Amino acid sequence: AQTVTQSQPEMSVQEAETVTLSCTYDTSESNYYLFWYKQPPSRQMILVIRQEAYKQQNATENRFSVNFQKAAKSFSLKISDSQLGDTAMYFCAFMNAGGTSYGKLTFGQGTILTVHP
Amino acid sequence: NAGVTQTPKFQVLKTGQSMTLQCAQDMNHEYMSWYRQDPGMGLRLIHYSVGAGITDQGEVPNGYNVSRSTTEDFPLRLLSAAPSQTSVYFCASKKTGYFPRETQYFGPGTRLLVL
Repeated sequence: AQTVTQSQPEMSVQEAETVTLSCTYDTSESNYYLFWYKQPPSRQMILVIRQEAYKQQNATENRFSVNFQKAAKSFSLKISDSQLGDTAMYFCAFMNAGGTSYGKLTFGQGTILTVHP
Repeated sequence: NAGVTQTPKFQVLKTGQSMTLQCAQDMNHEYMSWYRQDPGMGLRLIHYSVGAGITDQGEVPNGYNVSRSTTEDFPLRLLSAAPSQTSVYFCASKKTGYFPRETQYFGPGTRLLVL
């Protein structure tokens, strides 16, 4: 079974600064996907960024980028130029690419990020 | 497209009552699933379906039933509600196939309080 661990229950950052959220995972699989989801106070789950395990290149989406270290099983999220609208709970999630775990997302515990003006 | 819709948004039940949480999607997604979100535990998979007529259990299936008679709908049934089922419930769907179809789209959630 896979596990996902987010060791930072809460983080805070000043507006316009950069913050990094940590995520580690444990799996014996070689082919999988990793995601970061944002959950604002509205509770809507919003996909921030996704990464395919077979790709060495780190994914980037505008101000959001990841540092994917497959050997270390680490998948951190960097938010640059933080904005007040980035205030939310952030979840790291893992999904197997195939087999009996196909389609099943395993989530971390979440990190509450607060952006201060 | 409305995406993934869930009803109701909020529900209060008494212990022992039954109810159905509705989930529908209009994206022709084969894969649908239900998660529950509890404080400090992230989201956990309850049940999932890879297509009409096919369902299977996730990580925390006890106390919940599902069926999938159409591609669009995937209702979650609580037969006899318990206080431990107080939670926020999310429905999600995705296409099957290779990446980038692996992105799951979530509904807005249903907050359930069992007294």
